[in-house]
Amino acid sequence: QVQLVQSGSEVGRPGASVKLSCKTSGYTFTTFALAWVRQAPGQGLEWLGWINTNTGNPSYAQGSTGRLVFSSDTSLNTAYLQINSLKAEDTAIYYCARYFTYYYYYLDVWGKGTTVTVSS
Amino acid sequence: IVLTQSPGTLSLSPGERATLSCRASQNVNNVYFGWYRQNVGQAPRLLIYSVSQRATGIPDRFSGSGSGTDFTLTISRLEPEDFAVYYCHHSDDSVGTFGQGTKVEI
Repeated sequence: QVQLVQSGSEVGRPGASVKLSCKTSGYTFTTFALAWVRQAPGQGLEWLGWINTNTGNPSYAQGSTGRLVFSSDTSLNTAYLQINSLKAEDTAIYYCARYFTYYYYYLDVWGKGTTVTVSS
Repeated sequence: IVLTQSPGTLSLSPGERATLSCRASQNVNNVYFGWYRQNVGQAPRLLIYSVSQRATGIPDRFSGSGSGTDFTLTISRLEPEDFAVYYCHHSDDSVGTFGQGTKVEI
């Protein structure tokens, strides 16, 4: 079955970087895009953007700070989210989700999330 | 596009009907609009896509309707697992956004 397995919790200092992974299985990786969604503690869902896993082309949310970097490795069926220059407000759960973009657009399979804590 | 959900919280009992609303700040294309449920401590789950299409495995007590700027998610008879937070969502090739969520509580 389709699975998205995300990497474990991260603790980072302000100004540092972290790189999260989302390993997929059960389908052809390059057939579907991968989206990233963030949820700060006690808050709602925030769209971060998505990556075309076939071309490697990322699309970041409007207003994105530029500190987020999406990438993917087709040989590992894995997508990555790197967060640079960590700030306290980056503390959140980060979800990856398979992004269906063939006429209809929706997030049909989600990972369990990776908790990122920014603390000095 | 900004999505505004109402009410913020809905207090109901199991077996009752729930009606959740989502208003967009501008007209949206139906194929880009959906609803998600998030139970406590879990990842969101797709319920409805393209306004009214139930996702795989979603029971028929869930239905979606609307067009343009006004959309509704209806749960005909609440089951215990339906007490959760619901988000409307719009995304296409270039933009994406979620509503702020509606909590359905007992």
